[in-house]
Amino acid sequence: DARVTQTPRHKVTEMGQEVTMRCQPILGHNTVFWYRQTMMQGLELLAYFRNRAPLDDSGMPKDRFSAEMPDATLATLKIQPSEPRDSAVYFCASGLAGDYGYTFGSGTRLTVV
Amino acid sequence: GNSVTQMEGPVTLSEEAFLTINCTYTATGYPSLFWYVQYPGEGLQLLLKATKADDKGSNKGFEATYRKETTSFHLEKGSVQVSDSAVYFCALSPLSSNTGKLIFGQGTTLQVKP
Repeated sequence: DARVTQTPRHKVTEMGQEVTMRCQPILGHNTVFWYRQTMMQGLELLAYFRNRAPLDDSGMPKDRFSAEMPDATLATLKIQPSEPRDSAVYFCASGLAGDYGYTFGSGTRLTVV
Repeated sequence: GNSVTQMEGPVTLSEEAFLTINCTYTATGYPSLFWYVQYPGEGLQLLLKATKADDKGSNKGFEATYRKETTSFHLEKGSVQVSDSAVYFCALSPLSSNTGKLIFGQGTTLQVKP
């Protein structure tokens, strides 16, 4: 089965450090989402792309978060500088426009100490 | 605005019990509705969906019917198994949205005991 690959699976970093999370969407999928999951807030949509173009990143703290798709096989989510409140599981998902059976990756569990 | 509300968990059942997880929504028009499942340590997986009123989505013994009159999409299963233990998310995609964006509920944890 095709899958969305996220790296790293786990990341522990110190406050103030830069964190980069990577996602390889399924080949042929034209829509990519970044979600953050915490116990308190549940699933929050951070950003999403259609055909590599950002459609909406209003869910991201602009001062420290950035999301890009340098090519069709790679999406990145960067946090700089990281803060303890950024500790969460970050999910990438990909799919086709008009079909809501999005495929989620296994997530990156980020811990900022 | 658009929103999804699920019953709070955790829901704890014995194996072979009947399951209902309530989901209600607020949306303009007729959104598409979904149930996703998240097993421990994994990402979300689409479980079933319904795109118009009175549609019934079904998969792996789970069912949900799109009820426009009650703005609900309750998840049911006649006989749960230990392997069904997971977090279940109800979600909607607004009709007005052509972006494919999903709005999720807060999730309901199901624990099934042998």
